[in-house]
Amino acid sequence: QQPVQSPQAVILREGEDAVINCSSSKALYSVHWYRQKHGEAPVFLMILLKGGEQKGHEKISASFNEKKQQSSLYLTASQLSYSGTYFCGTEIGITGGGNKLTFGTGTQLKVEL
Amino acid sequence: SAVISQKPSRDICQRGTSLTIQCQVDSQVTMMFWYRQQPGQSLTLIATANQGSEATYESGFVIDKFPISRPNLTFSTLTVSNMSPEDSSIYLCSVAPLGRGQDMNTEAFFGQGTRLTVV
Repeated sequence: QQPVQSPQAVILREGEDAVINCSSSKALYSVHWYRQKHGEAPVFLMILLKGGEQKGHEKISASFNEKKQQSSLYLTASQLSYSGTYFCGTEIGITGGGNKLTFGTGTQLKVEL
Repeated sequence: SAVISQKPSRDICQRGTSLTIQCQVDSQVTMMFWYRQQPGQSLTLIATANQGSEATYESGFVIDKFPISRPNLTFSTLTVSNMSPEDSSIYLCSVAPLGRGQDMNTEAFFGQGTRLTVV
């Protein structure tokens, strides 16, 4: 039930690009992306909704393929500050109403000089 | 947005005892969530807490071990009962803002977490 992310870990040199993938076995209503630095709480990056709407705070792009139940996060011209663990999150309905967020397996990203 | 105050930030507890973690939000929220995150792992949802109703627990988590209270729209507690070393983990509360309907459609906000060590 937990979304599967790939790759599990990646090391980049500053300025390089990366793609992180998220795949779910269940139909997706929306996909969230978060970044977590060591010892800190997860920080919101982006939401992708059915129909193509996106909401985000940073210059990070992503795609959402509803039919394939997949999402990809695109990090371009990486900076040292991009280092951390990236999680996708998928919304699943709760019995009685409302949605809960289930997080993917995570991708560790390290950006080096 | 929502600002969450989670207490305590960390604790070291003896096995067999219980710890109650508090989560205070600066605005009214519909739903509150409790997660566990073991070192190097993803976040695992423990339960969902709605005000005025019993919490809904995920598979593998039971109310006797993780009782939850949700007395109002800004506060919740999670108790880790009869602790063992296997309960050592980071526990995080998270909220979905009020007024968003049944769907989240917006970012989730997190407390800073409680780092629990059971000895």
